[in-house]
Amino acid sequence: EVQLVESGGGLVKAGGSLKLSCAASGFTFKNHPMNWVRQAPGKGLEWLSSISSSGSYIYYGDSVKGRFTISRDNARSSLFLQMNSLRGDDTAVYYCVREFRVTFDSWGQGTLVTVSS
Amino acid sequence: QSALTQPPSVSGSPGQSVTISCTGTSSDVGSYNRVSWYQQPPGTAPKLMIYEVTNRPSGVPDRFSGSKSGNTASLTISGLQAEDEADYYCSSYTASSTYVFGTGTKVTVL
Repeated sequence: EVQLVESGGGLVKAGGSLKLSCAASGFTFKNHPMNWVRQAPGKGLEWLSSISSSGSYIYYGDSVKGRFTISRDNARSSLFLQMNSLRGDDTAVYYCVREFRVTFDSWGQGTLVTVSS
Repeated sequence: QSALTQPPSVSGSPGQSVTISCTGTSSDVGSYNRVSWYQQPPGTAPKLMIYEVTNRPSGVPDRFSGSKSGNTASLTISGLQAEDEADYYCSSYTASSTYVFGTGTKVTVL
């Protein structure tokens, strides 16, 4: 069974940093591109970033480009999101998402990030 | 990248059919057969319902179907059931090698 477990969320002050982690199991992690998607309270889904299976290709959404960095460790089946210069509108549940055939086929349960002013 | 446009809400009685539209541009929905649909009941993570416009993952009822015409994709739920009440989101791959989600649609079973 595919499992994606996010961790690292919490309360942080505006301007601060936070690093999210995602532990993957139940599949061959190194074979799949991975993504981060977030959802602000009461709002819709927002795609943030993707990383290819080898880590060679990385893409970001406009709202986080230059502030967030995605990375992965295939030896440890882990995905990461380093978030810097956090703002109030970054408050959201952050999901770790597996990609298969250009779609998001498996989602973690999410970790809540709250940015206070 | 602007979000794909979906109606805020649709509703139907049990057994009826409802259709949710998802309108993008020639740089996303119109250029790729990489449109997916996700179901999100309250308080849960999204679940993949349709991928590559028309394909259903294993375990998804065949009441759910997808289509696309030009820059607009659609999700149809036939034989609506109470358990189908949820938020639904479309997504598309884009010409920038990124992804974009729709604005979301709340489906209510009357």
